Amino acid sequence: KAGVTQTPRYLIKTRGQQVTLSCSPISGHRSVSWYQQTPGQGLQFLFEYFSETQRNKGNFPGRFSGRQFSNSRSEMNVSTLELGDSALYLCASSLAGGDGEKLFFGSGTQLSVL
Amino acid sequence: GENVEQHPSTLSVQEGDSAVIKCTYSDSASNYFPWYKQELGKRPQLIIDIRSNVGEKKDQRIAVTLNKTAKHFSLHITETQPEDSAVYFCAASGSTDKLIFGTGTRLQVFP
Repeated sequence: KAGVTQTPRYLIKTRGQQVTLSCSPISGHRSVSWYQQTPGQGLQFLFEYFSETQRNKGNFPGRFSGRQFSNSRSEMNVSTLELGDSALYLCASSLAGGDGEKLFFGSGTQLSVL
Repeated sequence: GENVEQHPSTLSVQEGDSAVIKCTYSDSASNYFPWYKQELGKRPQLIIDIRSNVGEKKDQRIAVTLNKTAKHFSLHITETQPEDSAVYFCAASGSTDKLIFGTGTRLQVFP
């Protein structure tokens, strides 16, 4: 069974640009969550999608958005990039995103904003 | 709001010693507490988890304890080995089922 796949692996952008990250969950998994990882801040929850609907949202500005397609693949978009958006963006999938379900993480997209 | 505090941020031990990482959560409704291990350059992976109806769980050299009254839970690694070197994250389920992670502990095991 293929794991969670994130593309691209690395991205370099400049301030003010926008970026789209992609996440393909494990086959059969319908919940996709996104996390931002920075040194010292751990994993900060961005949002979670289930059946094409955003079910949970973290405390990030509106510049961060996402969506999920009918095949459960998810995309995350960041508009008007700021230097502080430089981070590793991880997505994780689970069967239904229920309480106590194991999360399977992708390898992440390392975003650098110059 | 929901919050998980994790200590220490870094931990260095000699091979064969024990390591303990502690977490405190704020949401009394939390009932699921997983621990993830992230080796350098790799994705986080679940190593052990515990639910609120259990006080302790063990898996070979790894154990997790939970004190619901004090809202504390801890990861214990015995007989540490160099391959245990990684960043460890605790997490607690929030009121809306989302997982809230701690800030991570970088464990270094010296041979």
